[in-house]
Amino acid sequence: DGGITQSPKYLFRKEGQNVTLSCEQNLNHDAMYWYRQDPGQGLRLIYYSQIVNDFQKGDIAEGYSVSREKKESFPLTVTSAQKNPTAFYLCASSPGTGPLYGYTFGSGTRLTVV
Amino acid sequence: AQSVSQHNHHVILSEAASLELGCNYSYGGTVNLFWYVQYPGQHLQLLLKYFSGDPLVKGIKGFEAEFIKSKFSFNLRKPSVQWSDTAEYFCAVISSGTYKYIFGTGTRLKVLA
Repeated sequence: DGGITQSPKYLFRKEGQNVTLSCEQNLNHDAMYWYRQDPGQGLRLIYYSQIVNDFQKGDIAEGYSVSREKKESFPLTVTSAQKNPTAFYLCASSPGTGPLYGYTFGSGTRLTVV
Repeated sequence: AQSVSQHNHHVILSEAASLELGCNYSYGGTVNLFWYVQYPGQHLQLLLKYFSGDPLVKGIKGFEAEFIKSKFSFNLRKPSVQWSDTAEYFCAVISSGTYKYIFGTGTRLKVLA
């Protein structure tokens, strides 16, 4: 079955550490996205990538970094510069960058700073 | 700046009650509108979408939404809810010429059996 796989499902990070969240898709989608979901704040866009080797900052990119070396992979690194990293992170993809395409979402990674 | 407002943060209904969840957006141009649903422990999934044409859009599981341009609204409705509709519902907007969603804050619906 085609879909998006996010791993791990739960991740714990110590203060000052960088951690990387994995997102892999086998849908042959061009565009991939990272969102952060916080209670009462909906989904906020962190980074997105329209094609391989290209990515753009979203609305809350500070403290995060990404790479897009392969079409199927879009890992997100939460750096120590992110002041409030505890959240639920969602990866999504779409076959194009226009509004006609709905997103396919992964099952998410819950990151907790301990 | 574009924004999406969902004024009902928590809604509790009994089974068979009618549902209407509000969604208003702030953008004066052409928009594309979506409702997503997140059932407990599951992925976000698309419920329905509006691009053009008939402003009354029908989606999966008996849901529908009406686009009222003059009110900048895209409210979600279902005539008779079921316990299995318990979920969080997100309204989202993409404005013409862009590629990223603006999501509302979500509405948590709990349906009592």
